[in-house]
Amino acid sequence: DTGVSQNPRHKITKRGQNVTFRCDPISEHNRLYWYRQTLGQGPEFLTYFQNEAQLEKSRLLSDRFSAERPKGSFSTLEIQRTEQGDSAMYLCASSTGLSSGGQETQYFGPGTRLLVL
Amino acid sequence: AQSVAQPEDQVNVAEGNPLTVKCTYSVSGNPYLFWYVQYPNRGLQFLLKYITGDNLVKGSYGFEAEFNKSQTSFHLKKPSALVSDSALYFCAVRVSSGSARQLTFGSGTQLTVLP
Repeated sequence: DTGVSQNPRHKITKRGQNVTFRCDPISEHNRLYWYRQTLGQGPEFLTYFQNEAQLEKSRLLSDRFSAERPKGSFSTLEIQRTEQGDSAMYLCASSTGLSSGGQETQYFGPGTRLLVL
Repeated sequence: AQSVAQPEDQVNVAEGNPLTVKCTYSVSGNPYLFWYVQYPNRGLQFLLKYITGDNLVKGSYGFEAEFNKSQTSFHLKKPSALVSDSALYFCAVRVSSGSARQLTFGSGTQLTVLP
C-alpha cells in the first residue's frame, strides 16, 4: 500500500492555458474522488468514479473541467482556459469500493496546488 | 442536504492539557462522521470515523471522538495534547442512505499546542 499519489505537486500557469493533473489511487481501490480546496476552507467535492464510470459530478465542475478514469486505475483532471479563480489545491482520494453504504474511509493524496497568474 | 459546522477557527491549548475540537452536523438520515488532519502543504490524513455502535470512537495518535445524536455533535478529543498535534483539523459527514459518496467537510479548525 503505497498511498494515493498525485502529480504534479505544484503547477503555475497563465490565465487561459490548459492544465492536466494526474491521480494514482491506492492499488485495487475501485472508487476515486476529486475535491478542490481553497485557502481557509475545507475540501469541496468535484466528482467521483466507480471503476471507469463517472457517477457523480458537482455543480462546481463547470464545462471547463473534465475528469477521466479510462481503465479504472489512474485518473486525470483537466481544466481548460484556466481562470484566476481556479487557483486552489486539487485533492484526489480513493476507497476500496467494497461497501455499499458509503461508510468507507477515503484516503487522500498530497494534492496538486494550482496557481493561475 | 448535509452540512458540517466547526464553530472555532482556532483552538490553542498548552502541551499536556486535554484538547477538544468541536463539530456539529446536519443530515437527513443517519450520519457517517469522519475526522481528518492536515499538515501544511499536505493532503488529509484519516484519524477516525463513526459508523454505528459505540458512541465513543478511538482513532490514530491517541485521538477519540464522541458521537452525540441528540446534540448532532461529533467532537474530537485527546486527553493530553502534544506540540506535534498542531495542525488543521477537518470534520466531515456523509449520509448513510442514498447513492451519494461525497464527503461534506467543515471549514476546519487550526489547533495550536503551545509548549
